[in-house]
Amino acid sequence: GQNIDQPTEMTATEGAIVQINCTYQTSGFNGLFWYQQHAGEAPTFLSYNVLDGLEEKGRFSSFLSRSKGYSYLLLKELQMKDSASYLCAVRESSGGSYIPTFGRGTSLIVHP
Amino acid sequence: DSGVTQTPKHLITATGQRVTLRCSPRSGDLSVYWYQQSLDQGLQFLIQYYNGEERAKGNILERFSAQQFPDLHSELNLSSLELGDSALYFCASQQGLNTEAFFGQGTRLTVV
Repeated sequence: GQNIDQPTEMTATEGAIVQINCTYQTSGFNGLFWYQQHAGEAPTFLSYNVLDGLEEKGRFSSFLSRSKGYSYLLLKELQMKDSASYLCAVRESSGGSYIPTFGRGTSLIVHP
Repeated sequence: DSGVTQTPKHLITATGQRVTLRCSPRSGDLSVYWYQQSLDQGLQFLIQYYNGEERAKGNILERFSAQQFPDLHSELNLSSLELGDSALYFCASQQGLNTEAFFGQGTRLTVV
């Protein structure tokens, strides 16, 4: 089983930088994903980390420390359209399959 | 557009009824996941199929069942519906067992 924790809500200002943290406890770790979800819409894939370190993709970066069970998603140059829920998902190998388990998400509100 | 297609987009039905939700994965994707998302819950994993076979089961009720057909589309059957089954149901597909998953737009089920 897994336990994934992320803050419920965060607010930030347009143009700023925000860091959304995710901590997890799992056995059989097989990767960590970040998804963005606007209300009532499908989650969209943002990033994937399987090794320790930072992965950068434009305005978004994601960091992983497997020994600490910790990841963060960094959003730079925030835009109003970045207001959404950000979901941390940990994939765990189980019986030959790999199942992503999602945290409850962090609702990010970007204000002018 | 993720390439994953779910039908119908919206469904309103009465308690005690049975419904079928349909998912067409991205071309070439062999693996299909079903998730349930309620207002007060995160994405809850229900079941996974890979190339027609069930690979993993999550918190899926006995009243729910699913299958993946030879053309790789999948159906989720929900029976003896209760008010608490009202939720967004997402299908996600991925190419293999160890790649990122892409989500469909979801089916919003309302049980009245």
